[in-house]
Amino acid sequence: NAGVMQNPRHLVRRRGQEARLRCSPMKGHSHVYWYRQLPEEGLKFMVYLQKENIIDESGMPKERFSAEFPKEGPSILRIQQVVRGDSAAYFCASSPMGRGRMTDTQYFGPGTRLTVL
Amino acid sequence: GENVEQHPSTLSVQEGDSAVIKCTYSDSASNYFPWYKQELGKGPQLIIDIRSNVGEKKDQRIAVTLNKTAKHFSLHITETQPEDSAVYFCAARRTNAGKSTFGDGTTLTVKP
Repeated sequence: NAGVMQNPRHLVRRRGQEARLRCSPMKGHSHVYWYRQLPEEGLKFMVYLQKENIIDESGMPKERFSAEFPKEGPSILRIQQVVRGDSAAYFCASSPMGRGRMTDTQYFGPGTRLTVL
Repeated sequence: GENVEQHPSTLSVQEGDSAVIKCTYSDSASNYFPWYKQELGKGPQLIIDIRSNVGEKKDQRIAVTLNKTAKHFSLHITETQPEDSAVYFCAARRTNAGKSTFGDGTTLTVKP
């Protein structure tokens, strides 16, 4: 039973390029969350998605960042025109289908470490 | 919004001793409190969680306590082992709210 999968595990981009981070949730999970972790800091919420819907994007920067979770395929976090300050670890988590308490537990993937040169 | 504070930021103990990490939260509507262990280069791994209708929960050497009135919860690790060395994060969440708010983490070092 595979866990949350993220790829790539490491991504290097030059300033101004685009970064695409992918997340495949655990089987049977329909809720996806993206978090960012700066070095030596905790995880900061970015966005919460269900299939084809953005539920909460209150943690997303207003510009350059976007996320989607299409009907088929993985969730994508996209960062356009990357800057050095975007260098961080980006974690995806998923939780089971349904509502209420059963969706509370979030399972994390291994993360994508983005380095902007 | 929710604010979670975690203490201490670093903790060093001798193998076999106990370790305690404390968190406070601000949103009285938060009702789910997970703890995660993160090893270097890996994603956070859920180790134990507690809901607001329970005061204490135990799983082998790990226990979590919750004081709703004071809005704080703690992680207790007994008989620590070197493999317990990692960064530990607490979090708080409202059911159906989506996001979890994390503390800044505690780096635990267990010396053999």
